[in-house]
Amino acid sequence: EDQVTQSPEALRLQEGESSSLNCSYTVSGLRGLFWYRQDPGKGPEFLFTLYSAGEEKEKERLKATLTKKESFLHITAPKPEDSATYLCAVQDGGYQKVTFGTGTKLQVIP
Amino acid sequence: NAGVTQTPKFRILKIGQSMTLQCTQDMNHNYMYWYRQDPGMGLKLIYYSVGAGITDKGEVPNGYNVSRSTTEDFPLRLELAAPSQTSVYFCASSYSGGGQGYNEQFFGPGTRLTVL
Repeated sequence: EDQVTQSPEALRLQEGESSSLNCSYTVSGLRGLFWYRQDPGKGPEFLFTLYSAGEEKEKERLKATLTKKESFLHITAPKPEDSATYLCAVQDGGYQKVTFGTGTKLQVIP
Repeated sequence: NAGVTQTPKFRILKIGQSMTLQCTQDMNHNYMYWYRQDPGMGLKLIYYSVGAGITDKGEVPNGYNVSRSTTEDFPLRLELAAPSQTSVYFCASSYSGGGQGYNEQFFGPGTRLTVL
């Protein structure tokens, strides 16, 4: 059974204080690892897809990296508008189903 | 391009009532999904569809039914609502072409359902 564990559950940062969110996963054959952002009362919004170990992708202050067992979402010099819950998900190579983690709730304080 | 739309946004049901949650996408995606999201539990897959006329169970299908008669629409039916079905429901869609660059899911805004 595919498993996704995200840590920490919640993270409070000062504006400009860089940090990383962790996503550990267990899957028989990784087809893709996804990062989503979810704002309160809204649906998740797609950020990145990573396909193989060593791959990195960037978008503004966010950078996602992937190893064979985990992924990191690095947030550089965050701003208050980066406050949201960040979800990690994996797709097994043999299935269309995606397994989501429970998310990290990020709060960036001015 | 509206993306994925869901109706209603909010609904309160009494125990034993039935209802249909509507989901429509205008991106010509072949795959569609229904999830429920409970506090601290993450998104759980209820049902999914790989194309019109084809549906399959996800992780938590009990108490729900789906149909997919068109590419655009994927309604979720709740029969005999129970308090355990109180949750936020999200519909999503994706295009799977079998290669990289696909599979990311696009989500609707959600339906917040309370069963009393």
